Order: sequence, then C-alpha cells, then structure tokens
Amino acid sequence: AQKVTQAQTEISVVEKEDVTLDCVYETRDTTYYLFWYKQPPSGELVFLIRRNSFDEQNEISGRYSWNFQKSTSSFNFTITASQVVDSAVYFCALTTLSGSARQLTFGSGTQLTVLP
Amino acid sequence: KAGVTQTPRYLIKTRGQQVTLSCSPISGHRSVSWYQQTPGQGLQFLFEYFSETQRNKGNFPGRFSGRQFSNSRSEMNVSTLELGDSALYLCASGRTRTTGDETQYFGPGTRLLVL
Repeated sequence: AQKVTQAQTEISVVEKEDVTLDCVYETRDTTYYLFWYKQPPSGELVFLIRRNSFDEQNEISGRYSWNFQKSTSSFNFTITASQVVDSAVYFCALTTLSGSARQLTFGSGTQLTVLP
Repeated sequence: KAGVTQTPRYLIKTRGQQVTLSCSPISGHRSVSWYQQTPGQGLQFLFEYFSETQRNKGNFPGRFSGRQFSNSRSEMNVSTLELGDSALYLCASGRTRTTGDETQYFGPGTRLLVL
C-alpha cells in the first residue's frame, strides 16, 4: 500500500515570505513517481511538477523549487517570495508502476494563504 | 490546445435520484480517470478508462459506474444518490496508461450537491 502525508493542514504567510510545504510518502516500490498539484478556489487541479524515483536532482522553476530526498522519503515544495496569487490548496501525490499504475494517491493537502 | 472539459460544472440533486457527469479529455489523450473530492475523505480514485475499457477501479460501491466512448469522452453515473455523494468530481486525462510516469491533467470538476 502507498501513502502520502502532508502534515501541514494550513499555512499562512505574508507576501514576499518564503514558504515550504512538506510531503512525506510511503511505498514499497522502487520505481515510483511524485507529483505536486495546485488547486485554486475554482477547483481545478493544476499540475506543477513530476519527479521519478531515480532522479533526486532538485528542481527550480521560477519562484518554485522542489527538494526530493529518498533517504527521508520526502518531496518538499518551496515557494520563494510568495505572492497573493499563490494562495491555494497544494497536493502532493504518488503513483507507482505496480498494480494500479494510473491511480494517484494524494495527500490531504496544505491550504496556503498568502496575505498582502 | 484545449484542456480537459467537464459538464455540467454544478449540479443539485435529491436523494434517490441518479446523475450522469461528462468528461472530454485533452485531444489525443486516451486515458480518463475519475476522482471524488470531499472535505472528509480528500481526493479518492474512482476508476480509470482506456480504450473504452475500465482498467482500474477504486473502493466505491457499485452505484458508481462509468463508461468511455470511442472518441475517449467519458461519463460517470451515480445511481440512488446519497447525501454523502455530495462532492467535487474531478476527471483526469492522460496520453496513455502504459506506465505510471504519465502526467494526468485535471478538468475543473463538477460540484454535485445532494439534498
């Protein structure tokens, strides 16, 4: 069985602060894929990043960066210089090659509020 | 390129009724998955369709069913609605289903309220 834990239910920051969203996963598979999605109030899940288990390189995309550490089973997401438009619920998700390959297992999400 | 579209966007039904939701995937995508999102249970996988066949099903009762057409569009049906079926139903589109590294792209969802 696989599991994704996002321990931070809600985070509130002031604009321009940096914020890190934590994600811890569990799986017995050696090949797996991790994702981050953003859900604004409109409801649509917006894809942000995909990372496979063999690629531990950190990634930076503009103000977003991701830190993948297999040793701690974590895939954390940092927003630098946060903006009000970053306010949303952020989900970390996991899928593997075994069994239900196309089934995403989601964490419970972190509600991020960026105050002006 | 158009994204995933879902209709209707909002729906109000009463207990005991049935409902059909529709999803059109991104052009060229052949896989469609459905997820239910509720405040209590979060995002849960319902089922996945590829080439008009259900390939995978989550842990939901038989009242939840779906199908996929030859043009990859998919519908899901919920019969004998219960109050607990009130949720946001999200559809996800993928190019293939060969491996888990395919990214799924989500539609805006259908918000269903059961009274």
